[in-house]
Amino acid sequence: DSGVTQTPKHLITATGQRVTLRCSPRSGDLSVYWYQQSLDQGLQFLIQYYNGEERAKGNILERFSAQQFPDLHSELNLSSLELGDSALYFCASSVEKGTEAFFGQGTRLTVV
Amino acid sequence: AQSVSQHNHHVILSEAASLELGCNYSYGGTVNLFWYVQYPGQHLQLLLKYFSGDPLVKGIKGFEAEFIKSKFSFNLRKPSVQWSDTAEYFCAVNGERGKLIFGQGTELSVKP
Repeated sequence: DSGVTQTPKHLITATGQRVTLRCSPRSGDLSVYWYQQSLDQGLQFLIQYYNGEERAKGNILERFSAQQFPDLHSELNLSSLELGDSALYFCASSVEKGTEAFFGQGTRLTVV
Repeated sequence: AQSVSQHNHHVILSEAASLELGCNYSYGGTVNLFWYVQYPGQHLQLLLKYFSGDPLVKGIKGFEAEFIKSKFSFNLRKPSVQWSDTAEYFCAVNGERGKLIFGQGTELSVKP
């Protein structure tokens, strides 16, 4: 167990809908990363937060947004969902940027 | 922009064979380097990391990696693989503004 908790584990939703994925980092970790893993794209970096502030942005679509709350948990919001958004979404946390990241079990999103 | 390239997409070995997985990155500044492993159906786990010092780093389960700065490489090695090493292996680089970028992954299949 890495100490990073992601909910829900599985999510099935229809195209056009909006979902929220939640991540609780390890105790003491200030940095949270979000990744999308699909068969054809590999592990794509979406966004990173550090102590509540956006730190770095990757290949995140405009339909997607994220935030990190004062208690350091983070949420990834995916809207206007398309079939191609079906993937495994991982959250990771680290003490600060540059140190090793610990991954959650992921949320498997299926858009039908 | 920072990127990571893993040379092999799928490697098939017999037990006791030696393993070397290639990883190259593009980023001219100071980097921290990682290898992660993802066993089937599980989350990513850290195998080893390099921050500074001795460029030959040892990780868990008999894995090691060598950082060659002049070649922008961080190859993963294991002298003798086991069936239980069957997994997907990801190289990652943390450099530009704290982004943790992963390579496409290498799927390793070890035949008993």
